[in-house]
Formats: sequence, C-alpha cells, structure tokens
Amino acid sequence: GEDVEQSLFLSVREGDSSVINCTYTDSSSTYLYWYKQEPGAGLQLLTYIFSNMDMKQDQRLTVLLNKKDKHLSLRIADTQTGDSAIYFCAEGLGYQKVTFGTGTKLQVIP
Amino acid sequence: EPEVTQTPSHQVTQMGQEVILRCVPISNHLYFYWYRQILGQKVEFLVSFYNNEISEKSEIFDDQFSVERPDGSNFTLKIRSTKLEDSAMYFCASSEGQREQYFGPGTRLTVT
Repeated sequence: GEDVEQSLFLSVREGDSSVINCTYTDSSSTYLYWYKQEPGAGLQLLTYIFSNMDMKQDQRLTVLLNKKDKHLSLRIADTQTGDSAIYFCAEGLGYQKVTFGTGTKLQVIP
Repeated sequence: EPEVTQTPSHQVTQMGQEVILRCVPISNHLYFYWYRQILGQKVEFLVSFYNNEISEKSEIFDDQFSVERPDGSNFTLKIRSTKLEDSAMYFCASSEGQREQYFGPGTRLTVT
C-alpha cells in the first residue's frame, strides 16, 4: 500500500534555509503535496508538484522531486519564526484519497 | 479566496450519541472528502464522494459512518453511535475534478 515517510523534527535558526525531506512509495501518484499545520489549526495547502515535474518554485518555497528515488523535498528560504509549524508531505491522484506522512515539526529559533 | 468551511469548530458528545459534522466545500468543486487526525497521529483518509455517491472509503469508514450532500452546498459526516476512539480532528476537503485537494479548518470531536 501507499506509505509516506518523513523525519519528525527539524530545528533551524531564523534567516537560514530549511529543508524538509520525504519519501513515498506509490509511483502512480500524480500529485505530491506539502501541507502546513499550525498549532490548533487546519491543513493549509502550501504547494504541490505534478509527478512529471522535477522542481517548482513559489516565492520562498522550492519543491524538488526525484521520481526515480521517490524522494520529495521542501526548501524554505530565509526561514521566519512564522514558519514554525508541522509540515506534511502527502501524495495522491487528485480525485482520490491523499496519503499523508507523519509530519515534520519545524522549530525556528530566533 | 474561496475556502472550505466546517462547523462546529469543536463538538463534545457523550459515548453512544450521534453527531453530524458539517462542511461547505468550495462552490465549484465536485469531489468531496473526509479525513481524520487522532491527536499526535497521521491524517487518515475516511471517504471520498462524487456525483452523490461514495467513490472510495477506508476500512475506518464502517457502518457507523455515513456521508450526505443534503443540498447544493453542504456535505456532512454522520457518526451514528460515537465511541471514545472517535475523538479526533475531522477535516473536510474538496477538489475541482482531478485537481489538488483543499482542506477546511477541521472540527475537533471529543467523545466523553
């Protein structure tokens, strides 16, 4: 079945870049997502990449996809304290279920 | 920007009671979903719904659960007889066809 794995915790200093990594197993996934969850809040769709792309950049966010290794990463440039949250990697086919990873808790140290 | 909304934000109920969680998906979306997140655990898929039918469901979505689109705007999840282990955050999501899914803010269900 589908499985998505992430490291549980990442700590960075304010102003540095953060890189959150993820591996997935379902090679048929069309969408690879990054969702952000702040404490007590819902799931905010941060960005996504189609499986036929290698890279997507959106302001401070860069998503890299290595389809051969089934590896996805999210880079946040110039990380701010407001970026502190849990980041979920997820994969899906668009109109079917999305499978989520365990989430990576990003702590930004001022 | 259009968004998915959910009510209530927090529901407390006693074991054995029925609850209905409500969602208003984004207006031009046709695919609707429910997920849940037990505290400290992964977000888990429950069910997807399209064209007034369930299109996919997980093993969590047993006979105690049902979904309905009672009118043109609402999408509901009913739990007939709640158990303690149903306590979780329940997220509704919607998508425009075979596109990315947008999630609501969630309803925190506490079963006592």
